[in-house]
Amino acid sequence: QKEVEQDPGPLSVPEGAIVSLNCTYSNSAFQYFMWYRQYSRKGPELLMYTYSSGNKEDGRFTAQVDKSSKYISLFIRDSQPSDSATYLCAMMGGSYIPTFGRGTSLIVHP
Amino acid sequence: GAGVSQSPSNKVTEKGKDVELRCDPISGHTALYWYRQSLGQGLEFLIYFQGNSAPDKSGLPSDRFSAERTGGSVSTLTIQRTQQEDSAVYLCASSPDRDQPQHFGDGTRLSIL
Repeated sequence: QKEVEQDPGPLSVPEGAIVSLNCTYSNSAFQYFMWYRQYSRKGPELLMYTYSSGNKEDGRFTAQVDKSSKYISLFIRDSQPSDSATYLCAMMGGSYIPTFGRGTSLIVHP
Repeated sequence: GAGVSQSPSNKVTEKGKDVELRCDPISGHTALYWYRQSLGQGLEFLIYFQGNSAPDKSGLPSDRFSAERTGGSVSTLTIQRTQQEDSAVYLCASSPDRDQPQHFGDGTRLSIL
């Protein structure tokens, strides 16, 4: 079992839809959680960063962490074609070395 | 402000040659990471520098790989006697401190012929 599991997709949605992206993990020591967006031939871009459990909202993006279930989510409201990219979850514990999911490919079609 | 800068953006070399990849982190960031990303694969951790501490080299795949960070700023990743399986995108990231999220450069695309 991988430490971080993430469905590779692709996930195809119409413009304006609410998108839900998810990761599960097995290491209970993880306490820092990140979401990145990666466009083709670009480096990952930080979208959200949360510490421990709870929700965090930034514009159209909401990150949720449920440590009891070892499950994190990223919600994108009013999705746009420009949101089409690969979304990577990442998490780290006391080693301060992040473990990344393999990424979910999202396609938002007009 | 300036982000993480990596050079060259693309590198093509012959099998058996040595290559050097450079990373300029965000000014003031104490933590610096190198990763490798192969097609369809996730990010593979290679090495981590934090301030003046000894680097964590636990992700380096073989002794052909090494990295330095001079003056707590610029870092160089060196691959000796390159093999075709070394072909990948090499990404550098930095963070203000070890418990802060990483900010990435756009990587160096390395192709070994």
